[in-house]
Amino acid sequence: DAKTTQPPSMDCAEGRAANLPCNHSTISGNEYVYWYRQIHSQGPQYIIHGLKNNETNEMASLIITEDRKSSTLILPHATLRDTAVYYCIVRVYSSASKIIFGSGTRLSIRP
Amino acid sequence: ETGVTQTPRHLVMGMTNKKSLKCEQHLGHNAMYWYKQSAKKPLELMFVYSLEERVENNSVPSRFSPECPNSSHLFLHLHTLQPEDSALYLCASSQGVDPYNEQFFGPGTRLTVL
Repeated sequence: DAKTTQPPSMDCAEGRAANLPCNHSTISGNEYVYWYRQIHSQGPQYIIHGLKNNETNEMASLIITEDRKSSTLILPHATLRDTAVYYCIVRVYSSASKIIFGSGTRLSIRP
Repeated sequence: ETGVTQTPRHLVMGMTNKKSLKCEQHLGHNAMYWYKQSAKKPLELMFVYSLEERVENNSVPSRFSPECPNSSHLFLHLHTLQPEDSALYLCASSQGVDPYNEQFFGPGTRLTVL
């Protein structure tokens, strides 16, 4: 299973862009990068996913390096409601059903 | 609202009790999952059901017993639990178990074992 490495915590000023990095150096060619977040005491919430190309939706942007060994989740204008633990996940194709969550990054947004 | 509901939201039980957690999804999905989240630990996958058949069991102790009577409902039966089983138990569903399919999570049941 491809593993991911994320910083345990980060902080960002409200209104600024929050850039959350993730390393996945052992990712395989068919594995996608997914991002979820979990606000305190709630279930994880899907944010975005991608394979090779950069992706953008109403919540965030995902930048994947050309070698696919790392990625960055960008929240363009962070708000206090974005305070959460953010999980970078690589889907394991051979174990079709698994989402393997790591420890994530605890993002704190300061006013 | 994700379309996945869980009841109860909070549960306190003794080690000799028997209780059940319920999950219901209103999304028309055919795969459902149980996850455990202990304090300061990553989410752990416990069970996976696809088309009401269990397809994965990640070495979970037998004091946890899942049941999937149909594609919309999933139960987790609990008996003779230990205090270390206190955790947030999350249910999720997806359309198929294809790894590229998004999983939708419920709000979780906060379980405390005394």
